[in-house]
Amino acid sequence: EAQVTQNPRYLITVTGKKLTVTCSQNMNHEYMSWYRQDPGLGLRQIYYSMNVEVTDKGDVPEGYKVSRKEKRNFPLILESPSPNQTSLYFCASTWDRNSPLHFGNGTRLTVT
Amino acid sequence: QKEVEQNSGPLSVPEGAIASLNCTYSDRVSQSFFWYRQYSGKSPELIMSIYSNGDKEDGRFTAQLNKASQYVSLLIRDSQPSDSATYLCAVRKQAGTALIFGKGTTLSVSS
Repeated sequence: EAQVTQNPRYLITVTGKKLTVTCSQNMNHEYMSWYRQDPGLGLRQIYYSMNVEVTDKGDVPEGYKVSRKEKRNFPLILESPSPNQTSLYFCASTWDRNSPLHFGNGTRLTVT
Repeated sequence: QKEVEQNSGPLSVPEGAIASLNCTYSDRVSQSFFWYRQYSGKSPELIMSIYSNGDKEDGRFTAQLNKASQYVSLLIRDSQPSDSATYLCAVRKQAGTALIFGKGTTLSVSS
């Protein structure tokens, strides 16, 4: 089944403890992206990648890192999480820059 | 002006009625337009994509695009309670740039 898989689905952590949210797609998509969704603010792009080893900042990149060492994987790294990073995170991918995005199931992160 | 604007709702319609969801965008050179449906706590799901002026129909859904007015809409015919969700309008300004999302309109269909 074609899908974008995120893990974990739920994560509760404490301020400053490094964490990684994984994202993997099995559709051979070139383009991958991370969004966060907050009440009243909607979906905002954190980082995106147009191909292996090519990443760029979105609208809200502060406090996040990403890497794209393989085409299928695009992990989101929070080196030192803070409570304002408590949010619902979505990974998404697509074939090319002009096609619609396909979303993973989301990761609900709580930072205390 | 926000890049992509939607009325937050809630929009309430009775079962069987037509639901009309609207979206305006600020950048005239926008090229690609998408409608997503999102149930509470779930991921956005693509409903429709539209790239040129006019109407595009898919089952009970019709997307309408008017680039001159910078306006895109989604009509849902024969609305069902299962259509109750938040509908997100997304716009890609130029080929290759990020997808910009509106904040969504919440639709409630009562039986």
